[in-house]
Amino acid sequence: EAQVTQNPRYLITVTGKKLTVTCSQNMNHEYMSWYRQDPGLGLRQIYYSMNVEVTDKGDVPEGYKVSRKEKRNFPLILESPSPNQTSLYFCASGRAASGANVLTFGAGSRLTVL
Amino acid sequence: GENVEQHPSTLSVQEGDSAVIKCTYSDSASNYFPWYKQELGKRPQLIIDIRSNVGEKKDQRIAVTLNKTAKHFSLHITETQPEDSAVYFCAAWGTTSGTYKYIFGTGTRLKVLA
Repeated sequence: EAQVTQNPRYLITVTGKKLTVTCSQNMNHEYMSWYRQDPGLGLRQIYYSMNVEVTDKGDVPEGYKVSRKEKRNFPLILESPSPNQTSLYFCASGRAASGANVLTFGAGSRLTVL
Repeated sequence: GENVEQHPSTLSVQEGDSAVIKCTYSDSASNYFPWYKQELGKRPQLIIDIRSNVGEKKDQRIAVTLNKTAKHFSLHITETQPEDSAVYFCAAWGTTSGTYKYIFGTGTRLKVLA
């Protein structure tokens, strides 16, 4: 089954404790990206990647890191989480080569930083 | 920076009536305009999209129109049904400017009243 898998689905952590949210896709998509969803603010892009070893900032990259060492994986790293990073996070992937880019989303990861 | 404005933020219609959601984008390099539907507690899923070389596209009860000159695009849902109740997001994406940000609007919560 074609899918984007992200883990963990739910996480409660404390300020400053490094954490990683994993994202993996099995569709051989070139494009992968991370979003945070907050009430009234829609989906805001954190980082995206057009291919292996190619990453770039979205609109809200502060406090986050990513890497794309393999085509299928795109982990989101919070080196020192803060309460303002409490949010619902979505990973998504798409086949960008054709000029259209239909995103397939993961199920979401709800993060709470105390 | 680039942005996508979406209106209205909430929309209530009677079952069987039509619903229209409007978006405006700022980056003239955008050439792909998808619409995603997010049901409560679920991930966003594509419902219809349009490329910049097309003015209108229909798929059964939903249609999207694009005015490139005005940088406007709209989602039209006819004969609304209770299962159309959800949050709808417009988005803009393009490859001609050298950046590949995928920018979403802030969402419209559609309620279809039975």
